[in-house]
Amino acid sequence: NAGVTQTPKFQVLKTGQSMTLQCAQDMNHEYMSWYRQDPGMGLRLIHYSVGAGITDQGEVPNGYNVSRSTTEDFPLRLLSAAPSQTSVYFCASRRGGEQFFGPGTRLTVL
Amino acid sequence: GESVGLHLPTLSVQEGDNSIINCAYSNSASDYFIWYKQESGKGPQFIIDIRSNMDKRQGQRVTVLLNKTVKHLSLQIAATQPGDSAVYFCAENKVDSSYKLIFGSGTRLLVRP
Repeated sequence: NAGVTQTPKFQVLKTGQSMTLQCAQDMNHEYMSWYRQDPGMGLRLIHYSVGAGITDQGEVPNGYNVSRSTTEDFPLRLLSAAPSQTSVYFCASRRGGEQFFGPGTRLTVL
Repeated sequence: GESVGLHLPTLSVQEGDNSIINCAYSNSASDYFIWYKQESGKGPQFIIDIRSNMDKRQGQRVTVLLNKTVKHLSLQIAATQPGDSAVYFCAENKVDSSYKLIFGSGTRLLVRP
């Protein structure tokens, strides 16, 4: 199993640009989520999904959209990037209590 | 409001000593707690969890203690090794349909050789 994979690993955007961060898992987990991690801080939940076709907002959803058309994939879209969205983004999937995190995407918005 | 915090931002220990990382939580409705380890440039890695109906749980070289009276969680690492150097996060969750994890800000553990 590859576990949770994320692409790209690094990305630089200009203010106003849009992009999609990809996340996939091959463990057939129903629950998936996106977090952002800012320097010296813990992870904050952006959006999550409890199964295909079902998504909901986390703590910091503004500026981000998600969709869950399949169990495997959970992309995160930035509609119009802002410098405040400079962060490291982690995708995770969960079975029961144990949550598995991807390697992260480091995003810089200029 | 709901929050999870840590008492010490950085902990330095001698290799071979035991480490204790502390965490306070404020949501009395939380019934599931998790410790994660995050090495530089990597995603968080699950270490150990504990449910609120327990006060202690042991893993390999790690023990989690839960004191619900004072809303305190701790992670004990026995015989700390250089590979234990990382940032450790506690997280809390109210086990309902949302399964939202609330993370603390983290403690950096430095192991001196």
